[in-house]
Amino acid sequence: DIVMTQSPESLAVSLGDRATINCKSSQSVVYSSDNKNYLAWYQQKPGQPPKLLIYWASTRGSGVPDRFSGSGSGTDFTLTISSLQAEDVAVYYCQQYYSTPWTFGQGTKVEIK
Amino acid sequence: QITLKESGPTLVKPTQTLTLTCTFSGFSLSTTGVGVGWIRQPPGKALEWLALIYWNGDERYSPFLKSRLTITKDTSKNQVVLIMTNMDPVDTATYYCAHRSGLAATGTFDYWGQGTLVTVSS
Repeated sequence: DIVMTQSPESLAVSLGDRATINCKSSQSVVYSSDNKNYLAWYQQKPGQPPKLLIYWASTRGSGVPDRFSGSGSGTDFTLTISSLQAEDVAVYYCQQYYSTPWTFGQGTKVEIK
Repeated sequence: QITLKESGPTLVKPTQTLTLTCTFSGFSLSTTGVGVGWIRQPPGKALEWLALIYWNGDERYSPFLKSRLTITKDTSKNQVVLIMTNMDPVDTATYYCAHRSGLAATGTFDYWGQGTLVTVSS
């Protein structure tokens, strides 16, 4: 199984500041056939299901504000919120869909400082 | 508009079998590349992928739970069913079903149901 490790477990950021979340996979999630990173990011607010933010490591999902961006390749990935808004308070998960079992990171809780 | 909704018992006893149904609309599970998966989340914990069934009937399972899981689809009813045997209190969780897009789109779970909380207790 591919293990997904996120850091930090939690972070507190001031409104308008940048938030950065890291995700590391235990093996590469790039397919040589299409050169795509099979890595997604989800946002989960309390009492709600996860919402797809980023797929293919860097493509924003439908309706996702452009303050959210994903980067990285191979085994190291980053989710950046360029200017934190109050509505961004949530837990964020990375997920690999390179191979089954699909696996999630343990989550990163983002709060307002 | 794609929607999914989970249904099933909210309380099951230890050793019992859990049957959950995902009823969806807005897509067909006979469309190439499409799948429906199940993911669970114990209270206050992370997401755990359980199973996935593809448009062509291919089934994939979490190796950790494979012996206890069965996923089936009824394309005509727009439903996917997850069966989990020998339930234990550690299986207490919110169970989600989700739509998986083909590789020409997102390739992963892009629409989720609201989830259903299943408690395992005697």
